[in-house]
Amino acid sequence: KNEVEQSPQNLTAQEGEFITINCSYSVGISALHWLQQHPGGGIVSLFMLSSGKKKHGRLIATINIQEKHSSLHITASHPRDSAVYICAARYNTDKLIFGTGTRLQVFP
Amino acid sequence: NAGVTQTPKFQVLKTGQSMTLQCAQDMNHEYMSWYRQDPGMGLRLIHYSVGAGITDQGEVPNGYNVSRSTTEDFPLRLLSAAPSQTSVYFCASSYSGTSSYNSPLHFGNGTRLTVT
Repeated sequence: KNEVEQSPQNLTAQEGEFITINCSYSVGISALHWLQQHPGGGIVSLFMLSSGKKKHGRLIATINIQEKHSSLHITASHPRDSAVYICAARYNTDKLIFGTGTRLQVFP
Repeated sequence: NAGVTQTPKFQVLKTGQSMTLQCAQDMNHEYMSWYRQDPGMGLRLIHYSVGAGITDQGEVPNGYNVSRSTTEDFPLRLLSAAPSQTSVYFCASSYSGTSSYNSPLHFGNGTRLTVT
């Protein structure tokens, strides 16, 4: 069965802290997506990875194909980063399976 | 480009009623999909399509029908609504196959459905 495990479920940080969210998946993925969902519902794509590392501003996403693991890092976290972060694995059938999300709250 | 347009934003149904959630995209994406989001469960795949005339079931297909007669549109039909289908529904699209390797997902704004 294709599964995606995400941790932690909830994360609280002080402004400026370095944040790491983890995602593990089973075999056969063609890509790993990181998404952001703010309160009020809209879902935005942050990264799409099939190997290596990508960086956009204060956000960094990495993937280790051998270990079937991806991480999303936020450097110098800010209250506006407060959101739910979701990883999704795209399997070779084009089917997408999502993790349950990590709720991040960054306090000033 | 309008992106992914999902309608309606809100809907209240009585048990047994039927309705169709609309999803349209103008990016020529082959891949379109429907998800439901329930508290504590994350997004779960209902149905997906990799092109016109091709659909497949996801994790939670029961009670829902889809069709893909054009590249642009992927409607989701609830045949006989049940309270268990109360949820927030999202449509998403992207390129498919090898084109998907560098293709982000584009989401609609969601439909909040309540079945009483």
